Amino acid sequence: EAGVAQSPRYKIIEKRQSVAFWCNPISGHATLYWYQQILGQGPKLLIQFQNNGVVDDSQLPKDRFSAERLKGVDSTLKIQPAKLEDSAVYLCASSRPLREGNIQYFGAGTRLSVL
Amino acid sequence: SQQGEEDPQALSIQEGENATMNCSYKTSINNLQWYRQNSGRGLVHLILIRSNEREKHSGRLRVTLDTSKKSSSLLITASRAADTASYFCATRQGGSEKLVFGKGTKLTVNP
Repeated sequence: EAGVAQSPRYKIIEKRQSVAFWCNPISGHATLYWYQQILGQGPKLLIQFQNNGVVDDSQLPKDRFSAERLKGVDSTLKIQPAKLEDSAVYLCASSRPLREGNIQYFGAGTRLSVL
Repeated sequence: SQQGEEDPQALSIQEGENATMNCSYKTSINNLQWYRQNSGRGLVHLILIRSNEREKHSGRLRVTLDTSKKSSSLLITASRAADTASYFCATRQGGSEKLVFGKGTKLTVNP
């Protein structure tokens, strides 16, 4: 089966600009996650979708970050405007929580550099 | 906030040696999982241990869980250069589907 697809792989922008990331989860996975991973740290959950509904967005900086998952399949994460501290890898993951104890399958990530 | 804390932060060993990484966590859990991340890549699931299990094996991996001490260890036996990566523990709490990751252990296996 195909894995989690993310694009772009790399993005360089200047502060105050906007950026968007795209994720296509594994087919049949109802749950989709966006994580932020700052260099040298573990992934931090930004938002969790179950189908096209938001389950947890408690750590999403809602003044600048937004995410949507139309039709319950692929998803986009947007930052507007970007700050220097947003430089990180943005990881998308998907899972079938009711099975497998919520093992998550990750994409390769998008590395964002904000200058 | 991060639930798990891995120890050590970095570990360097020779090929063929065993590598042991530890993870401590703060609250009661449903299960604990270990993931590997190669440089510049996403995380890959390695092994899951449930809260009512004490030890689990998968190939060269051995995981232990001590819920009374809120700690887990990952042992990689007969390490290979290809095991060079960062290793993260992640805990699933109660009825939540959310995984909370630690900061990771960076393992280097020298050929």
